[in-house]
Amino acid sequence: AQKITQTQPGMFVQEKEAVTLDCTYDTSDQSYGLFWYKQPSSGEMIFLIYQGSYDEQNATEGRYSLNFQKARKSANLVISASQLGDSAMYFCAMREGRNYGQNFVFGPGTRLSVLP
Amino acid sequence: GAVVSQHPSWVICKSGTSVKIECRSLDFQATTMFWYRQFPKQSLMLMATSNEGSKATYEQGVEKDKFLINHASLTLSTLTVTSAHPEDSSFYICSARGSGNTIYFGEGSWLTVV
Repeated sequence: AQKITQTQPGMFVQEKEAVTLDCTYDTSDQSYGLFWYKQPSSGEMIFLIYQGSYDEQNATEGRYSLNFQKARKSANLVISASQLGDSAMYFCAMREGRNYGQNFVFGPGTRLSVLP
Repeated sequence: GAVVSQHPSWVICKSGTSVKIECRSLDFQATTMFWYRQFPKQSLMLMATSNEGSKATYEQGVEKDKFLINHASLTLSTLTVTSAHPEDSSFYICSARGSGNTIYFGEGSWLTVV
């Protein structure tokens, strides 16, 4: 079974508009972390935002916010005021358990295209 | 903030030769690093977990004799693709855990085997 699901292979958004990228996850652990990464065409992975399973408030980092709905096991990324430079692949990832040294799993990604 | 450096950024090699990719944590010590491979338009697939001072743990289906991983120090892990073939052409990227919960990635390495 897929641990991380991103149902939107591609998304378009108009510049300056907000966009939500969906992510649902599957875990039986009580302790886990959720991450969003941006991957431009050059390939590097850029960390955007982190949400811990015990965090009561939704994480925010500048124009990025994470809409964390624990009961629904969703961790959607919201990008406000989209910019042309936001065009990239976006990956949702999850780390399970308390062993912070462990790897995590990635979703299939969503390709975001920002239109001028 | 934490930075992970990967080198080279891209490399072209001939079939049958070996190529080494380095992953360095620049301002923190990383007892564990991870190596991923990414095919075009696909997500990252974990190849192996590299532990400092011990043997790497490979994921199922990854040939450990072909993809040699060495984690000789707390700041350096290397991936060597031995006897490379065109099907090994891919994007390889490493990651390491920085302070707190964040995993940081290297810049990635584009390998083309001709």
